[in-house]
Amino acid sequence: QKEVEQDPGPLSVPEGAIVSLNCTYSNSAFQYFMWYRQYSRKGPELLMYTYSSGNKEDGRFTAQVDKSSKYISLFIRDSQPSDSATYLCAMIFYGGSEKLVFGKGTKLTVNP
Amino acid sequence: GAGVSQSPSNKVTEKGKDVELRCDPISGHTALYWYRQSLGQGLEFLIYFQGNSAPDKSGLPSDRFSAERTGGSVSTLTIQRTQQEDSAVYLCASSLTGPTGLFFGPGTRLTVL
Repeated sequence: QKEVEQDPGPLSVPEGAIVSLNCTYSNSAFQYFMWYRQYSRKGPELLMYTYSSGNKEDGRFTAQVDKSSKYISLFIRDSQPSDSATYLCAMIFYGGSEKLVFGKGTKLTVNP
Repeated sequence: GAGVSQSPSNKVTEKGKDVELRCDPISGHTALYWYRQSLGQGLEFLIYFQGNSAPDKSGLPSDRFSAERTGGSVSTLTIQRTQQEDSAVYLCASSLTGPTGLFFGPGTRLTVL
């Protein structure tokens, strides 16, 4: 079992839809949780990061962490064609490694 | 150019040849990471440099892979005797604040024929 599992999709939705992207993890020592967005032929860019369980909102994006279930989510409201990209979850635990562990990424297409 | 830059953007080589990939991090960033992204796979950690500390090389897949960082800035990833399974996008990232604030470069797409 990989440390971080993410459904690769692809996921195709109409413009304006609410998108839900998810990752599960097995290492309960993970403390920081991040979401990256990667456009085709580009490097990943950080969207959001959270530390504790609960929700964090930034514009149309909401990151949710449930440490008891080892489950994190990214919600995109009012999705736009410009949101079409691959979304990668990543996580890390301090006190040991400084390495981010990434999911495989979910490819999202928002159709106009 | 305030971002992380990588060169070359694309590299095609023959099996058995050596290649060097370059990363110019954001000025002042003390941490520098190399990751590899293969088709259908997530980002695979390769190596991590932090200031003057000894690098964390635990992700390098074989002794054909090595990396150095000169003067705390530019880094070079070297792959000797390339194999077809080395074909991937090699991504460099730098950070001032640690792993929660990584800025990635555009990557070098390596194809080994």
